[in-house]
Amino acid sequence: GAGVSQTPSNKVTEKGKYVELRCDPISGHTALYWYRQSLGQGPEFLIYFQGTGAADDSGLPNDRFFAVRPEGSVSTLKIQRTERGDSAVYLCASSLIAGQTDTQYFGPGTRLTVL
Amino acid sequence: DQQVKQNSPSLSVQEGRISILNCDYTNSMFDYFLWYKKYPAEGPTFLISISSIKDKNEDGRFTVFLNKSAKHLSLHIVPSQPGDSAVYFCAASYPNTGNQFYFGTGTSLTVIP
Repeated sequence: GAGVSQTPSNKVTEKGKYVELRCDPISGHTALYWYRQSLGQGPEFLIYFQGTGAADDSGLPNDRFFAVRPEGSVSTLKIQRTERGDSAVYLCASSLIAGQTDTQYFGPGTRLTVL
Repeated sequence: DQQVKQNSPSLSVQEGRISILNCDYTNSMFDYFLWYKKYPAEGPTFLISISSIKDKNEDGRFTVFLNKSAKHLSLHIVPSQPGDSAVYFCAASYPNTGNQFYFGTGTSLTVIP
């Protein structure tokens, strides 16, 4: 079956621009997570959805970052007024339910480069 | 503040020998631990996990050991194969935190044929 997919795979933008990153989770998975991985680091949690609602957005670095999941499936991570420090790989993961021991399945990521 | 640490950024092992990857954590509330494996240009894939009520979990060539008193876990791969060459991330979680994982910085394993 299809895994988690993310588009685009690469995004190059200029400082100050707005970007949207898309995640298609595994069909039927109710929980969806966004992580950010900077060079030489492990993935860092940004936000997690249970269904349509953001259950925990404590990892979002500031109010330039926002994510939605309007129909409980596809999610979009939105970054306003991008800065060079936003350059990273943005990873999306989904799990069947939002239990602590539920395996999170990751997509390949979107590599964002802010010039 | 890095709550999960992998102090060895890289490791090289001969094919057929044992690979031991280490991970330390600081938060005593962590009670579930995982290892993920990542190939270039792909997302991390789940490898093996362990709950804090156990001290060992085995799955084929992969065994994870947990030492709660030392806040340390390790992943043993035996025998190592060239296809095991990847970056390995240790991750941890604790209850009532929205199921977010806290990841280490990764260890790049190279298995030499």
